Amino acid sequence: QVQLMQSGAEVKQPGASVKVSCKASGYTFTGYYIHWVRQAPGQGLEWMGRIFPNTGGAHYAQKFQGRVTMTTDTSIRTAYMELGSLKSDDTAVYFCARETARGLTLGHWGQGTLVAVSS
Amino acid sequence: DIQMTQSPSTLSASVGDKVTITCRASQSISSWLAWYQQKPGKAPKLLISKASSLESGVPSRFSGSGSGTEFTLTISSLQPDDFATYYCQQYNSYWTFGQGTKVEIK
Repeated sequence: QVQLMQSGAEVKQPGASVKVSCKASGYTFTGYYIHWVRQAPGQGLEWMGRIFPNTGGAHYAQKFQGRVTMTTDTSIRTAYMELGSLKSDDTAVYFCARETARGLTLGHWGQGTLVAVSS
Repeated sequence: DIQMTQSPSTLSASVGDKVTITCRASQSISSWLAWYQQKPGKAPKLLISKASSLESGVPSRFSGSGSGTEFTLTISSLQPDDFATYYCQQYNSYWTFGQGTKVEIK
């Protein structure tokens, strides 16, 4: 079955960068877009962007342009999301998610990775 | 950017109640709307896509309707497992979530 396993929690200082990983199993990794969505404590869901592992092509939400980089390593079936210039309001749980077979909707999710930004 | 607005933000209901959540888009999104359920500490779960198409395994008490700018999620008879937060999401132009509706026990 489809599984997305994310890396563990991180604590970062303001101004630093964080790189979260998302290891996929149970399907053809190169065949489906991976999205990244974040959720600040007690808040709603915020879409950050998506990447197509087959080509490496990515699209980012305007809010994160210039500060986020999404990549994949197809040899180890892993997607990455790197967010730079961290601020305290980047403290959130970051989820990776895979599109469904029909495309565009997010049918499979990782467990989430807490990134805490604090001095 | 397309903005999504859900109402209400919180809904208090009892087991067996019929529950309706509304989602409005800032511009027409045709039927490119999904609904997700999220429980505390868990990842969201996809319930409905293309406004009204129930995902496999989702109980039939869940239904979705609407097109253009106004959409609804209905739970016909609320069950104990349904107390959660529900999000709409448009995917007509990139992806945007509504702010969420928490369904709590009355």
